[in-house]
Amino acid sequence: GNSVTQMEGPVTLSEEAFLTINCTYTATGYPSLFWYVQYPGEGLQLLLKATKADDKGSNKGFEATYRKETTSFHLEKGSVQVSDSAVYFCALSYNNDMRFGAGTRLTVKP
Amino acid sequence: GAGVSQTPSNKVTEKGKYVELRCDPISGHTALYWYRQSLGQGPEFLIYFQGTGAADDSGLPNDRFFAVRPEGSVSTLKIQRTERGDSAVYLCASSLFLAGGPYNEQFFGPGTRLTVL
Repeated sequence: GNSVTQMEGPVTLSEEAFLTINCTYTATGYPSLFWYVQYPGEGLQLLLKATKADDKGSNKGFEATYRKETTSFHLEKGSVQVSDSAVYFCALSYNNDMRFGAGTRLTVKP
Repeated sequence: GAGVSQTPSNKVTEKGKYVELRCDPISGHTALYWYRQSLGQGPEFLIYFQGTGAADDSGLPNDRFFAVRPEGSVSTLKIQRTERGDSAVYLCASSLFLAGGPYNEQFFGPGTRLTVL
């Protein structure tokens, strides 16, 4: 079945550091890929998405590229801020079947 | 406009009791999803509605769990004879249905935190 595996956390970085959170997927067909973010005390929010191979999703300085050859959708940000502290979830969707990774908690220290 | 809303935000109940959790999707969204999120885990799919019917209920863990959406809008997740292991945050999401494609952006509600004592 479809599944997502993402880098285990927690991840702790200093402000302005470079961030990578790895995500790989297993799927039949051609899924859409997502990163969702959950800020402390808030609900899940869509951060970015990519619907086909080689698409790059981007938002708030975060980027992820849909790599079909490596079945990956790694999240990157060049310079993190304290306000980026949250839990990040990689997810895939195919035929309305959405599967999430376990989440990676990011803490950014000033 | 209004997002997905869920009530109650918190529910504490005793083992063996019956609970109902409500979800109000975004107006016009035909697809509605229920997930369960245990501590430290990602959301786990429970059931998906397209209109009034359950298109996929393969994620419901057992027959104590049931969900309805009688008018194609509001949905209720019902849990009978609750167990301590049912304690989790129950998330609801809704989306437009885009025929012929795999893409559906789901909009999530804030969740209901269920605690079974």
